[in-house]
Amino acid sequence: AQTVTQSQPEMSVQEAETVTLSCTYDTSESDYYLFWYKQPPSRQMILVIRQEAYKQQNATENRFSVNFQKAAKSFSLKISDSQLGDAAMYFCADFTGNQFYFGTGTSLTVIP
Amino acid sequence: DTGVSQNPRHKITKRGQNVTFRCDPISEHNRLYWYRQTLGQGPEFLTYFQNEAQLEKSRLLSDRFSAERPKGSFSTLEIQRTEQGDSAMYLCASSADRDHGYTFGSGTRLTVV
Repeated sequence: AQTVTQSQPEMSVQEAETVTLSCTYDTSESDYYLFWYKQPPSRQMILVIRQEAYKQQNATENRFSVNFQKAAKSFSLKISDSQLGDAAMYFCADFTGNQFYFGTGTSLTVIP
Repeated sequence: DTGVSQNPRHKITKRGQNVTFRCDPISEHNRLYWYRQTLGQGPEFLTYFQNEAQLEKSRLLSDRFSAERPKGSFSTLEIQRTEQGDSAMYLCASSADRDHGYTFGSGTRLTVV
């Protein structure tokens, strides 16, 4: 079974600072997508950012960017200028075939 | 587009009872997924529909679980003879195709007592 590993169960960041959440995956497929989802206490999974594996350029969405290292199978998320509303559980996911494989999540606390 | 809707939001049931959850995907999305999320874990894949066809099922989906998507629109997930280990959040997601975004619903939280 494919595994997505998030080695940081909890992280904290000062408001307005930058934080990086780490993720590694182990798919052997060549055609896959990588995602970061945010799950606040309201529990709905919200898409943060998406990366196609065939694209070398790192995806960016406003304050969110990724560092995609394909050979190392690493997919970290950088949040710049952290805001209180960024506090949530963050899940890294690998979409291969027809399903997501999720990590166990990183709980992010934003300190005012 | 009102997003993916799941009902009920919460369900408490006694062990041994049957429960059914409903998911209404975004109207033009032909792909629909069910996931289960237990406390402290990421969601785990249960099953996938393309239109009305159930194309993949996880080994997690025991014979007590059945899912349908009769007209390729809404889907139901039924759990028969519930067990305490079935207590979890059940998430539904939909997508127009493989290459585009997947929208998740807010989930149905099941508690088996």
